[in-house]
Amino acid sequence: GAGVSQSPSNKVTEKGKDVELRCDPISGHTALYWYRQSLGQGLEFLIYFQGNSAPDKSGLPSDRFSAERTGGSVSTLTIQRTQQEDSAVYLCASSRRQGGETQYFGPGTRLLVL
Amino acid sequence: AQSVTQLDSQVPVFEEAPVELRCNYSSSVSVYLFWYVQYPNQGLQLLLKYLSGSTLVKGINGFEAEFNKSQTSFHLRKPSVHISDTAEYFCAVSYQGGKLIFGQGTELSVKP
Repeated sequence: GAGVSQSPSNKVTEKGKDVELRCDPISGHTALYWYRQSLGQGLEFLIYFQGNSAPDKSGLPSDRFSAERTGGSVSTLTIQRTQQEDSAVYLCASSRRQGGETQYFGPGTRLLVL
Repeated sequence: AQSVTQLDSQVPVFEEAPVELRCNYSSSVSVYLFWYVQYPNQGLQLLLKYLSGSTLVKGINGFEAEFNKSQTSFHLRKPSVHISDTAEYFCAVSYQGGKLIFGQGTELSVKP
């Protein structure tokens, strides 16, 4: 019954450090998405997972960004060697499947890179 | 490139007045269209969506939108707004597959 949850809600890190952001999708949802919301760039797609298919990584801005989804449920977005321009709100969404299904968004993780 | 354009970054309006938030998209193939709302300090919430069928779509909180294929538009309307409608509104398109391409957002400010 719970919605999409994300942790941590806020993260402050120093430039150059690695961070991990976690997303718990709605139970039974096979599709999981990561987006980024920042003042300069608006809402940007990063990556999505659909079932056992290879993920669509076309939105990842650099090779410092990676994501995995274990057991078809929880997902972790990892940013290596963080830069100040990585500061943003990272949003996770899930849907029953792809192709027009409503995506339900989590509250986001606000990342600040000092 | 696939893109979504929200023509107005900010829309101020008085309470009980009608409002239209404009959205245009680029595509020559079938699309799914969405409007999401983000209230202050809250997450994104679906207002309405168009997948197929009737071009007039009704959503929550009295909002509706009309899909116009020839003009590649999906404008959002409400005949009478309330203070509580103050929020940021995002138009989004899904072309093929699940990922959403978002517009830059329109900040609706309803004044008493």
